[in-house]
Amino acid sequence: EVQLVESGGGLVQPGGSLRLSCAASGFTFSDHYMDWVRQVPGKGLEWIGRIRNKAKSYTTEYAASVKGRFTISREEATNSLYLQMNSLKPEDTAVYYCARASSDSSGYYYFHYWGRGTLVTVSS
Amino acid sequence: DIQMTQSPSSLSASVGDTVTITCRASQGIRNHLAWLQQKPGKAPKSLIYAASSLQSGVPSKFSGSGSGTDFTLTISSLQPEDFATYYCQNNDGYPLTFGGGTKVEIK
Repeated sequence: EVQLVESGGGLVQPGGSLRLSCAASGFTFSDHYMDWVRQVPGKGLEWIGRIRNKAKSYTTEYAASVKGRFTISREEATNSLYLQMNSLKPEDTAVYYCARASSDSSGYYYFHYWGRGTLVTVSS
Repeated sequence: DIQMTQSPSSLSASVGDTVTITCRASQGIRNHLAWLQQKPGKAPKSLIYAASSLQSGVPSKFSGSGSGTDFTLTISSLQPEDFATYYCQNNDGYPLTFGGGTKVEIK
């Protein structure tokens, strides 16, 4: 069974940093692209970024809203995905989800499995 | 960035009804579209990818269609567990973007 469990959320002051983790199990972690998606409570979904798999050299993509402030990484030895968030702003307050992507027949990667999310609150 | 516009933003329906949600992309995205379901307080659940392919375990009451800029999600024989918010998602290049959501409520 695929499981994704986020952790590391909490209250942080504006300008501060936080690192989120996502523990993955039930699948071959190194084979899959992984994403972070966030959701302001009561609002819609916003894609944060993606890290590709080993075959694609773990390259990354980011949304413009977080590029230069957030960094996605992964550790294959522990099947863990990370989101390092720096220079946090109140508008970064959201529930952060990790998601595993799966490819279709044409090689496009779609969200498939989701974690339950972890809440990050940026406030003084 | 490709903007995704869903309509309606909310709808009321009865158990047993069939409903259709539409999603329009601001430019052509071929068939690179997904649909997700989210219930209050829960993580999203992926329903459909590549516009019309069901994710594993998703019942056939959900169906998707469309290509280019116009897409639809149809839910047949609504059951209490189907009342949720549905999002379309552009998967044709970066950044990946979502529609604003359609809340399906019980009439």
